[in-house]
Amino acid sequence: DAKTTQPNSMESNEEEPVHLPCNHSTISGTDYIHWYRQLPSQGPEYVIHGLTSNVNNRMASLAIAEDRKSSTLILHRATLRDAAVYYCILRPNFGNEKLTFGTGTRLTIIP
Amino acid sequence: DTAVSQTPKYLVTQMGNDKSIKCEQNLGHDTMYWYKQDSKKFLKIMFSYNNKELIINETVPNRFSPKSPDKAHLNLHINSLELGDSAVYFCASSQRSLGTGELFFGEGSRLTVL
Repeated sequence: DAKTTQPNSMESNEEEPVHLPCNHSTISGTDYIHWYRQLPSQGPEYVIHGLTSNVNNRMASLAIAEDRKSSTLILHRATLRDAAVYYCILRPNFGNEKLTFGTGTRLTIIP
Repeated sequence: DTAVSQTPKYLVTQMGNDKSIKCEQNLGHDTMYWYKQDSKKFLKIMFSYNNKELIINETVPNRFSPKSPDKAHLNLHINSLELGDSAVYFCASSQRSLGTGELFFGEGSRLTVL
């Protein structure tokens, strides 16, 4: 499985935007970039995914570099409820449903 | 209604015992998974079933035996429990035909082996 690299931890002030980076230099052409998050004492929760173009949904935005070797998850206005571990995961297209979680980024929101 | 539900939420048992964790999903998905999260918080896939057929088996000890009676259920039975089995076990489901469809996770079952 292609590997992703994320910072171990980040801090952000409440109500400010947060940019969570992820490097995936060995990504293959058919790998989708998925983001999940895990709030304390809960199971992982899907956030967003994309292939080449930037993506937006109600939770976040995903900015994908033109060469696809990195991506950034953007939380537009962080709240205390966004404090979680965020995982950037590469998922091969079709035929392989396995999600391989790395160590993720622990996001702390400062009130 | 909870989409993916696991029981029990907490399980404390002695070494050597046999225990089961049950999982049910009401999302109509055709694929279900078991993940293990150890004390260092690493999440590792253990098994995956698609339409009751085992499709992923990540070199888990034979003491772990998943069983899928139907598409909506995936249970995990563990024989001869060891201290190292202490972890949080997460069940998840997805719709395989969607390819990159998202996984929905349960809230986890915390197993403590004494």
